[in-house]
Amino acid sequence: AQSVTQLGSHVSVSEGALVLLRCNYSSSVPPYLFWYVQYPNQGLQLLLKYTTGATLVKGINGFEAEFKKSETSFHLTKPSAHMSDAAEYFCAVSDRASNQGGKLIFGQGTELSVKP
Amino acid sequence: SQTIHQWPATLVQPVGSPLSLECTVEGTSNPNLYWYRQAAGRGLQLLFYSVGIGQISSEVPQNLSASRPQDRQFILSSKKLLLSDSGFYLCAWSVGQGLNEKLFFGSGTQLSVL
Repeated sequence: AQSVTQLGSHVSVSEGALVLLRCNYSSSVPPYLFWYVQYPNQGLQLLLKYTTGATLVKGINGFEAEFKKSETSFHLTKPSAHMSDAAEYFCAVSDRASNQGGKLIFGQGTELSVKP
Repeated sequence: SQTIHQWPATLVQPVGSPLSLECTVEGTSNPNLYWYRQAAGRGLQLLFYSVGIGQISSEVPQNLSASRPQDRQFILSSKKLLLSDSGFYLCAWSVGQGLNEKLFFGSGTQLSVL
């Protein structure tokens, strides 16, 4: 069975500092990997996803994530945090063998706070 | 363009009362539809998904049920709410398959059962 673990339920950084949100997954086969962001009072939005090919994936708002198969990780990074990045971030996996790609398994979420 | 409507945004219900959360999608046809729930301190968990009218698959045993009376309408229900049903409920829809499948979420309903 697949599972996702996000290390740290709450991360706080200063504006301009590096953002690093950690995600590790467990899967018997290489999965599809996703990062979603949820701003207050809004639905989840897709930041980026990895399906195949280049292991460094660039997403919206300057975020990127690198798929490391040997470490079973898909950490999300952004070189310089902005106040508007404050939100909750979810890592998710789906079974590439499944015909239902919307059947995602989510991590517990990491709330990012950005200090001025 | 496609939009997803989910209501209400917040709901407070007493234990034992019924529940009905509605989700509708506009601007697309024959979408896959999903209900997810986030309980406090836990990740999002898939509850139900539907690939067509009247076709419902349940992912976890629970006190809830889902129905899809129309192509773009997905309803989450309960006859008698439990305290453990409290959580944040998200409806989602997707189109495409495999690499091309994209998932879009509604804004969610925060349900508090007291």
